[in-house]
Amino acid sequence: EAGVAQSPRYKIIEKRQSVAFWCNPISGHATLYWYQQILGQGPKLLIQFQNNGVVDDSQLPKDRFSAERLKGVDSTLKIQPAKLEDSAVYLCASSPLRAALSPLHFGNGTRLTVT
Amino acid sequence: TQLLEQSPQFLSIQEGENLTVYCNSSSVFSSLQWYRQEPGEGPVLLVTVVTGGEVKKLKRLTFQFGDARKDSSLHITAAQPGDTGLYLCAGPAGTALIFGKGTTLSVSS
Repeated sequence: EAGVAQSPRYKIIEKRQSVAFWCNPISGHATLYWYQQILGQGPKLLIQFQNNGVVDDSQLPKDRFSAERLKGVDSTLKIQPAKLEDSAVYLCASSPLRAALSPLHFGNGTRLTVT
Repeated sequence: TQLLEQSPQFLSIQEGENLTVYCNSSSVFSSLQWYRQEPGEGPVLLVTVVTGGEVKKLKRLTFQFGDARKDSSLHITAAQPGDTGLYLCAGPAGTALIFGKGTTLSVSS
């Protein structure tokens, strides 16, 4: 099966600019996650979707970050305006179930550098 | 707030050595997962442990879930350069998965 696809792989922007990331999950996976991974740390959950509905966005900085999953398949994550501390790898993951034992399948991420 | 603490943060060893990395929490988890992440890639699931005291083996990797389900360990026997990577433990928090900060392992030949 095809894996989780993310684009772009790399993005360099200046602070206060906006940026968007795209994710295409594994076909049939109802649950989609966006994680932020700062260099040297583990992934931190930003938002979780079940189909096209938000399950958990408690850690999403909503003043600058937004995400949507229209039609319950692809998802986009946007940052506007970006700050220096947003420099990180943004990982998208999907799973077939919203369950503790369901493994997450990750994409290779988008590395964002904010200068 | 549930937290997962991993130790050591960094580990650099020679090929053929054995090592153990740890994942600890003050909270009880219903299950824990271990992932390995290589540079430029997303984490890949290695194993899920569910039962307190459970031991699972994956070739040279041995995973153990603590009896109280608050901790887990990963032991690698005769490490190889291909084992190099970031090892992450993860546990369920609500409907999502939270991760520890990971152990960066470097195995040199």
